[in-house]
Amino acid sequence: NAGVTQTPKFQVLKTGQSMTLQCAQDMNHNSMYWYRQDPGMGLRLIYYSASEGTTDKGEVPNGYNVSRLNKREFSLRLESAAPSQTSVYFCASSTRTVRNEKLFFGSGTQLSVL
Amino acid sequence: SQQGEEDPQALSIQEGENATMNCSYKTSINNLQWYRQNSGRGLVHLILIRSNEREKHSGRLRVTLDTSKKSSSLLITASRAADTASYFCATDGETSGSRLTFGEGTQLTVNP
Repeated sequence: NAGVTQTPKFQVLKTGQSMTLQCAQDMNHNSMYWYRQDPGMGLRLIYYSASEGTTDKGEVPNGYNVSRLNKREFSLRLESAAPSQTSVYFCASSTRTVRNEKLFFGSGTQLSVL
Repeated sequence: SQQGEEDPQALSIQEGENATMNCSYKTSINNLQWYRQNSGRGLVHLILIRSNEREKHSGRLRVTLDTSKKSSSLLITASRAADTASYFCATDGETSGSRLTFGEGTQLTVNP
């Protein structure tokens, strides 16, 4: 039972490079989320997908795009990476049968932008 | 902006002691959740308390919610070294749509 799987675990980019963070869940959850975690800032929501086929902006969406490829997969793309995007990124999912039931998190992607 | 704010930012105790962490929030909520994060890992859900509940227990965890003061506390009894982690509260605001809003966390260190 893998739960929420994120790849890669670590990534170093140069300013201006692009990359896609992958996330997949095997719990048949409807909702998926991307958060970033910075020291002293807690977790901030970047984008979320309440159900397959829908995506919405969170608190800090600038510089990111997302794709809900199917019910299992939700990817996060940085088109032109900036040093301010250096962070730890977490994907999460939930059933959302009732609003905002508990989230299940992946183990994170540590991204450094030089 | 962060909805939940944890207090204290850091807490260091001895094994066997109780640990209490507090969370304050600003707007009306549907529920409040507590999560734990071990170093270098993802968050793990601990407990959820709904706005119409005042207290909830799960094993060594006790959570209280005071909606009039917009605050919650997490009590870990008889702490163990393995409880060393960061603890976050997350609120589901009545107007937040599908979004949970996380606080900045309390770093708990339990010394053996």
